Amino acid sequence: QSVLTQPPSVSAAPGQKVTISCSGSSSNIGIHYVSWYLQLPGTAPKLLIYDNNKRPSGIPDRFSGSKSGTSATLGITGLQTGDEADYYCGTWDNSVSAVIFGGGTQLTVL
Amino acid sequence: EVQLLESGGGLIQPGGSLRLSCAASGFIFSSFAMTWVRQAPGKGLEWVSGTSGSSDNTHYADSVKGRFTISRDNSKSALYLEMNTLRAEDTAVYYCAVATNWGISAPYFDYWGQGTLVTVSS
Repeated sequence: QSVLTQPPSVSAAPGQKVTISCSGSSSNIGIHYVSWYLQLPGTAPKLLIYDNNKRPSGIPDRFSGSKSGTSATLGITGLQTGDEADYYCGTWDNSVSAVIFGGGTQLTVL
Repeated sequence: EVQLLESGGGLIQPGGSLRLSCAASGFIFSSFAMTWVRQAPGKGLEWVSGTSGSSDNTHYADSVKGRFTISRDNSKSALYLEMNTLRAEDTAVYYCAVATNWGISAPYFDYWGQGTLVTVSS
């Protein structure tokens, strides 16, 4: 199954900004919306961003999403220790007619 | 409040079968597509299967195609995953989730259950 490419880990200091990239291809990100999920240790994933850049109610505007070509980016500003989690991107892939996820990025707030 | 509660996980021998259930409440179940996503221990998310509200648009990951069957009973607000010919690599926490935009554009999963653990081992 196709997998979107994310960096395994990123880190930044409290209060700083971090970006997490998600690279795909013309059969997935290139033609479909991207969503992002946060997973705190030992809990179920939670929707952070949908349709590339929309935030569900309750998600603070510190979290933002963007897409350009076959890549998407999640941005988090004003980092807090509570943001330490795994972050996943996801979308649909036409070549396999399936939902695909990135491998996940572990965020460490130093 | 949307609630999703998975059940049916457990220890099963390779080659065996298991049926997972997901009890939904807090929304009009028949109006929403549903999906199963799994996560092997220490690994990332892997989408398994999804189905529309009326079960007329269903897809599977290649890794489970022909072995797993997704179904739903809208009268009971329940989603199921019938898993056959289980392998060690099917060991994972299985989550059910509400899938928005299914069949329209790239779906996203806005509500998740807490998951049920399936362990395939002899």
